[in-house]
Amino acid sequence: DSGVTQTPKHLITATGQRVTLRCSPRSGDLSVYWYQQSLDQGLQFLIQYYNGEERAKGNILERFSAQQFPDLHSELNLSSLELGDSALYFCASSTSRTGRNTIYFGEGSWLTVV
Amino acid sequence: SQQGEEDPQALSIQEGENATMNCSYKTSINNLQWYRQNSGRGLVHLILIRSNEREKHSGRLRVTLDTSKKSSSLLITASRAADTASYFCATDTGANSKLTFGKGITLSVRP
Repeated sequence: DSGVTQTPKHLITATGQRVTLRCSPRSGDLSVYWYQQSLDQGLQFLIQYYNGEERAKGNILERFSAQQFPDLHSELNLSSLELGDSALYFCASSTSRTGRNTIYFGEGSWLTVV
Repeated sequence: SQQGEEDPQALSIQEGENATMNCSYKTSINNLQWYRQNSGRGLVHLILIRSNEREKHSGRLRVTLDTSKKSSSLLITASRAADTASYFCATDTGANSKLTFGKGITLSVRP
């Protein structure tokens, strides 16, 4: 158990819908990362927050947004969903603002868009 | 774009044998991390090795880093069926905060 908690574990939704994925980082970790894993793209970095502020942005679509709340939990919002958004979405956390320390991953949220 | 490229893409060995997996990367790094993923599950952190380190051990795992060749290897000794999983290397280049992952190596350990 990495200490990173993600909900829901599985989600099935229709195209055009909006979903919210939730992440609780490890106790004491200020950095939260979101990654997407799909068969064709592999593991892709989406976005990072550090202590409530956006720190780095990767291949995140404009239809996707994220935020980190004062209690350090984070949410990833996916809207106008398309079939191609079906993937495993990971949240990860770290003590460091940069990538220099170990980054721990949650179990992921499986999103299926039908 | 992929920073880390693992080799081989797939590896099948007998229980008790050693498994060696390689990772090459393109740009200078601050550190390199190895992860394991069981089918459809989360990424489990195995080892972090920093750019000024050459070798690290953790139980049956041994990781080496050769910054002159921009490569790392993960050795699993005395493999077990439970080691069957995908293994990823991920690099931190320091240019931003993210880890860049390779495509992974699928390891099958036959009982």
